[in-house]
Amino acid sequence: KQEVTQIPAALSVPEGENLVLNCSFTDSAIYNLQWFRQDPGKGLTSLLLIQSSQREQTSGRLNASLDKSSGRSTLYIAASQPGDSATYLCAVKAQGGSEKLVFGKGMKLTVNP
Amino acid sequence: EAQVTQNPRYLITVTGKKLTVTCSQNMNHEYMSWYRQDPGLGLRQIYYSMNVEVTDKGDVPEGYKVSRKEKRNFPLILESPSPNQTSLYFCASSFHYRGRDTEAFFGQGTRLTVV
Repeated sequence: KQEVTQIPAALSVPEGENLVLNCSFTDSAIYNLQWFRQDPGKGLTSLLLIQSSQREQTSGRLNASLDKSSGRSTLYIAASQPGDSATYLCAVKAQGGSEKLVFGKGMKLTVNP
Repeated sequence: EAQVTQNPRYLITVTGKKLTVTCSQNMNHEYMSWYRQDPGLGLRQIYYSMNVEVTDKGDVPEGYKVSRKEKRNFPLILESPSPNQTSLYFCASSFHYRGRDTEAFFGQGTRLTVV
């Protein structure tokens, strides 16, 4: 059974720091991996989607990498801003046609001005 | 604007009173899913649909029903709600093209309280 872990559960940093958010998964037979952002009282917004054949994806200040063999992904946030404060979730989709995303429990990020 | 719309956003109901949470997407996506989010348990899939008239159970389907009569709509039905179904519910959709998925789009969520 696929399990996704995000450690730590919360992180508080001063503005301007470069951040690395970690995600690990137990079964390397994944179809893709997505990073989401969730703001309080709101839905999830997809930040980056990495297909299983890809090693990384970039969007603005965000860069996500994928190492299937070690069961790890990292989300790199450059020059963090208070507006980056949110909960970040990692989710994997298994190979084999299942439409299920298996989510980590998320990491709550607070960027202090 | 591409979006997934859920209604209602908030609902308080009593045990046993049937309710439906609607979900509609305007992106012509084939795939739609329902998830519930609970503190300490994260997001778990309830049901999913890979196309019209094709639905299947996720990890926590007990007490829920779904239907997919049209591509854009995927309602979640609670025939006899119980307090353990108090949760935050999300509908999601995505598209599959040439062996790859698009990103998943999520609705704003429905906060359900069953008393």
